[in-house]
Amino acid sequence: EPEVTQTPSHQVTQMGQEVILRCVPISNHLYFYWYRQILGQKVEFLVSFYNNEISEKSEIFDDQFSVERPDGSNFTLKIRSTKLEDSAMYFCASSEARGQGIQPQHFGDGTRLSIL
Amino acid sequence: GESVGLHLPTLSVQEGDNSIINCAYSNSASDYFIWYKQESGKGPQFIIDIRSNMDKRQGQRVTVLLNKTVKHLSLQIAATQPGDSAVYFCAENGYGNKLVFGAGTILRVKS
Repeated sequence: EPEVTQTPSHQVTQMGQEVILRCVPISNHLYFYWYRQILGQKVEFLVSFYNNEISEKSEIFDDQFSVERPDGSNFTLKIRSTKLEDSAMYFCASSEARGQGIQPQHFGDGTRLSIL
Repeated sequence: GESVGLHLPTLSVQEGDNSIINCAYSNSASDYFIWYKQESGKGPQFIIDIRSNMDKRQGQRVTVLLNKTVKHLSLQIAATQPGDSAVYFCAENGYGNKLVFGAGTILRVKS
């Protein structure tokens, strides 16, 4: 069964450094998402991406965050200058086109980001 | 604002019994709801979804019920197995494509 894959599984970074989290969405999906989950808290929406542009973003997704689809298969989340509070699990998700209504989002297994 | 909350943080059931996990949502405009299962070290795994024009949907051993009058969602798991032990999240599709997740319920299956 096709799945969303994320790399790395664990990323340790010094505060203030840039980090790039990588995702390969399911190949025929057209919508891409990033969510995060701080330890012990809810999964929170960060951003959605469609047709090579951001379609929606949350207030968490400030100027320090950016997303990119650099080629036909990868979808990345960049945090420009990491802060301690950026430590969390980051999940990538993808879904099919909405031709017949909203489609379920399928998630990867996440990248654990630890900021020191 | 939008919020989705769960009534029970932990549910313990005997293997073979049925499980019911409940969820309340606050956005009456939500038109799509989804249940996820999350095992330790893994991402949310899709279980079943339901659109707001339905009140019940069945899958394999799982049933989702939607009560729009009281803004309540439930997940029923028949003949619960040890492999069902996980955290279960409900989520609603609010505005646009974003999912708003509940806090999660831990399901523990006793053998």
